[in-house]
Amino acid sequence: QLQLQESGPGLVKPSETLSLTCTVSGGSISSSSYYWGWIRQPPGKGLEWIGSIYYSGSTYYNPSLKSRVTISVDTSKNQFSLKLSSVTAADTAVYYCARVIYDAGELGPLDYWGQGTLVTVSS
Amino acid sequence: AIRMTQSPSSLSASTGDRVTITCRASQGISSYLAWYQQKPGKAPKLLIYAASTLQSGVPSRFSGSGSGTDFTLTISCLQSEDFATYYCQQYYSYPPAFGQGTRLEIK
Repeated sequence: QLQLQESGPGLVKPSETLSLTCTVSGGSISSSSYYWGWIRQPPGKGLEWIGSIYYSGSTYYNPSLKSRVTISVDTSKNQFSLKLSSVTAADTAVYYCARVIYDAGELGPLDYWGQGTLVTVSS
Repeated sequence: AIRMTQSPSSLSASTGDRVTITCRASQGISSYLAWYQQKPGKAPKLLIYAASTLQSGVPSRFSGSGSGTDFTLTISCLQSEDFATYYCQQYYSYPPAFGQGTRLEIK
């Protein structure tokens, strides 16, 4: 059974960089059938797509966050990571990692999710 | 970017009821639409993809329909475990976008 687990600091200071890692178990991150994505959800609000990465390193970023986001992959550790720079209180959210179905060259739905981790931006 | 709008934003219903949630895209997305269920404190769960295909393990009381700009999620006979928030998501074009959610509450 595939499992994804987010890890990283739960508190980040304003203007600093948020860093999270997603560890994939029960399956290979190097599969050609999937991208791997980050999604966030501010408390009490809806879902926002942050970006996604292929095992080769190919990335898609949400244009609304692109200038501040970097997603990377480490296939040797079966992990992928998120860095979000210059954070403000508006970046406080539960951050989820998820598996993105990739079929015929197109991104599809998210079929496996991590449990999510709350990151609070505060001094 | 494509915007997804769900209606209603909240809905009260009773166990055994049939309920329908609507999702509208700001432009045509063919059938590139998914539905998710989210319970408090939990990650979303994929219910339906390609507008009408049931994800493995999802009860058959859930169904989806639509194409182009207008889509519906129907729960045919509400069970207690179905009270949750539901989100639609388009994956026709990048960036993928979610609706604002529909909260399904017990009447």
